[in-house]
Amino acid sequence: SQQGEEDPQALSIQEGENATMNCSYKTSINNLQWYRQNSGRGLVHLILIRSNEREKHSGRLRVTLDTSKKSSSLLITASRAADTASYFCATDKNSGNTPLVFGKGTRLSVIA
Amino acid sequence: GAGVSQTPSNKVTEKGKYVELRCDPISGHTALYWYRQSLGQGPEFLIYFQGTGAADDSGLPNDRFFAVRPEGSVSTLKIQRTERGDSAVYLCASSRQGGQPQHFGDGTRLSIL
Repeated sequence: SQQGEEDPQALSIQEGENATMNCSYKTSINNLQWYRQNSGRGLVHLILIRSNEREKHSGRLRVTLDTSKKSSSLLITASRAADTASYFCATDKNSGNTPLVFGKGTRLSVIA
Repeated sequence: GAGVSQTPSNKVTEKGKYVELRCDPISGHTALYWYRQSLGQGPEFLIYFQGTGAADDSGLPNDRFFAVRPEGSVSTLKIQRTERGDSAVYLCASSRQGGQPQHFGDGTRLSIL
């Protein structure tokens, strides 16, 4: 079963604009991660935010986490055509090695 | 290579046949995971190995699915008496001892005719 939902399911923007994707989850978590998947490829890890963190940055990526609302957002600034992909949030319940529970993903299209 | 390798990249077979999917994790990664991804969905967990042993197989849908990792590195996912509903992309991931993130292969696209 899927842990949560990404919102929106699909997003189309112009190059240079910012893209915001949201993720909600159902149960308590240890970490929340965002992954990217290009068509026909595997998932690439983008960023991990721990349950005791509220915001994290990596390059053009900004992730927020609100554990009281069980939600997270991923912001991609100054988007590029190469950012076109599906983006998934994933949660894990325990520390250490543990399976991830993924949402259904947001399909982002960046138009040049 | 440095990444997770999965073979074959594509597999087409008839209903009722047996298939094996192979995953070669990143060297030194002790944890290995199998996920299944249907079209338009996120990956769903199947089974996870810590070393040679299956630490959690709660995601396997039924007893037609089985996975092994005999030497603690390469893993094989085995599906018996395949059904059309088994068609999906099967993803493998590995991670270091102690946690995240997980590193994914490009998957095997399995099509059951």
